[in-house]
Amino acid sequence: GESVGLHLPTLSVQEGDNSIINCAYSNSASDYFIWYKQESGKGPQFIIDIRSNMDKRQGQRVTVLLNKTVKHLSLQIAATQPGDSAVYFCAEGRMNSGYSTLTFGKGTMLLVSP
Amino acid sequence: DAGVTQSPTHLIKTRGQQVTLRCSPKSGHDTVSWYQQALGQGPQFIFQYYEEEERQRGNFPDRFSGHQYPNYSSELNVNALLLGDSALYLCASNAEPSETQYFGPGTRLLVL
Repeated sequence: GESVGLHLPTLSVQEGDNSIINCAYSNSASDYFIWYKQESGKGPQFIIDIRSNMDKRQGQRVTVLLNKTVKHLSLQIAATQPGDSAVYFCAEGRMNSGYSTLTFGKGTMLLVSP
Repeated sequence: DAGVTQSPTHLIKTRGQQVTLRCSPKSGHDTVSWYQQALGQGPQFIFQYYEEEERQRGNFPDRFSGHQYPNYSSELNVNALLLGDSALYLCASNAEPSETQYFGPGTRLLVL
């Protein structure tokens, strides 16, 4: 398996700014991607997903961009709020014989200052 | 509509002991996946259950085993606990054919 460090990349922003969280993925055969938000002491919370045949998808205050050429995924959060402070994970999804499994990235900590 | 629930929330065990963790999927979901999340890392896939069968497994030893019941609830069992098994154990559920997995709050296991 991949090796991971103990220190998460951290993004610090001011309340009201736009945030961009990046993720590099490894498998060009991934079928879909999901962004999760994990607050301290809680399980990951679904934010938004995107299929591999798309390059952009928008939700409420969030936009996910997919660049398959460079295997890069980003999550844009508009008008970031203190409640957005959390660790954000991107996950690659693969379909095998009709069922799916997820592989998670390392995570990025977002700190929003009021 | 209840989401994914897990029990217990916290657990302390000693090396060599065995532990059973429980998960009830979100209403309407029939597939349950288990993940191990070490401190500061992303969740690592352990295995997935569907129709009471394990159908996919990650890179975890046979000490990790599971079960799914007819009501879709699931258990994760870990035998011969090691210090390195200390982690947050997450259960996620989805409803076939949707791939989107929804997570429970996790069980924090500490092995001393």
